[in-house]
Amino acid sequence: QQPVQSPQAVILREGEDAVINCSSSKALYSVHWYRQKHGEAPVFLMILLKGGEQKGHEKISASFNEKKQQSSLYLTASQLSYSGTYFCGTDGTNAGKSTFGDGTTLTVKP
Amino acid sequence: NAGVMQNPRHLVRRRGQEARLRCSPMKGHSHVYWYRQLPEEGLKFMVYLQKENIIDESGMPKERFSAEFPKEGPSILRIQQVVRGDSAAYFCASSPGMGGNTEAFFGQGTRLTVV
Repeated sequence: QQPVQSPQAVILREGEDAVINCSSSKALYSVHWYRQKHGEAPVFLMILLKGGEQKGHEKISASFNEKKQQSSLYLTASQLSYSGTYFCGTDGTNAGKSTFGDGTTLTVKP
Repeated sequence: NAGVMQNPRHLVRRRGQEARLRCSPMKGHSHVYWYRQLPEEGLKFMVYLQKENIIDESGMPKERFSAEFPKEGPSILRIQQVVRGDSAAYFCASSPGMGGNTEAFFGQGTRLTVV
């Protein structure tokens, strides 16, 4: 089943914070976050694993609540470069074979 | 270290023609994944391959679509007798192994337009 992302879109001013949520109806082993700018490839941001292991960029933070089957991505002090569509992907055992949500479009304005 | 290379970047085909999309994974990566993205939509998994093996093709349409990853050379996604609904961006990703803690890296995609 496809994870559900919320909100669908968010507009921020530079320096503001945002939270993007990803919820699944099934038990999760891992959650992966990617950012895609228009016309470009998705870029890996972070992996969160059941049990607490995380791997990703230092400036990105995220949480993974196994019981609630959801993950949240925290974007603090947003910059113009943060603009793009953020996708969460969920899968049992393989980061490359993911079921992605429909994305959250983030727009950061000066 | 070059990233995942896809070619062509843009491909235009007439209805009924064949489309061949190529993907060279990152050096040292033996796992390849193909995704399709329709305009303004998310990424939909199509197929997962290792060298000479299709591991999971649960996202592939039953007809007209095929994929391979030969011992030598790039992975190929082939679409026969293309229709307008096949117009989309096709992304390839690769990883060095499988496992939930292994990130995948995406190529720039091939944008297929069927006219």
